[in-house]
Amino acid sequence: DGGITQSPKYLFRKEGQNVTLSCEQNLNHDAMYWYRQDPGQGLRLIYYSQIVNDFQKGDIAEGYSVSREKKESFPLTVTSAQKNPTAFYLCASSMFGDNEQFFGPGTRLTVL
Amino acid sequence: GESVGLHLPTLSVQEGDNSIINCAYSNSASDYFIWYKQESGKGPQFIIDIRSNMDKRQGQRVTVLLNKTVKHLSLQIAATQPGDSAVYFCAENHHGSGNTGKLIFGQGTTLQVKP
Repeated sequence: DGGITQSPKYLFRKEGQNVTLSCEQNLNHDAMYWYRQDPGQGLRLIYYSQIVNDFQKGDIAEGYSVSREKKESFPLTVTSAQKNPTAFYLCASSMFGDNEQFFGPGTRLTVL
Repeated sequence: GESVGLHLPTLSVQEGDNSIINCAYSNSASDYFIWYKQESGKGPQFIIDIRSNMDKRQGQRVTVLLNKTVKHLSLQIAATQPGDSAVYFCAENHHGSGNTGKLIFGQGTTLQVKP
């Protein structure tokens, strides 16, 4: 079964704690992306990576960090510097240079 | 700057009717457009896409129309079914210098199908 998975589905965090969201794909895609979605809003790009060991900031990278040590994995860390981290986080992947992005099921992060 | 927007946040249609969801974009350099469907609590799913060298593309029960003159695209769903109830996003991309694969999303239109 090919696809993109995110874990956990729901995540709760206390203020001041860092938390890491997992994203894995077995589609052999080169590029991976992290988006944030707030209620009633569209998707905003946090970070993206077009190749292993390289990544670029998106539109709202402040308070987030990523790594891309393996082609199939692109974890996102939400740091304590992120002022309003409660949101729905979506990971996506695509072939390099391809437009269509395939999305994972999302992780809903709630800060208590 | 760039922006992609949908005209209406909510669209309510009767089951069996046709639905038309609209989207306006501001970047005339955009060369690719895509529609996604997102059901509650899930990730977006691809519906249909279109390149700027086309003005119409059809899929199963869906049609996308692109009007580059007024920078507008629409998604038409024929014989709307209850399972079509979801939020629909348009997104655009343009392959300018250094820009590869980045999509810019609109805010979404919620489609409600009444039985």
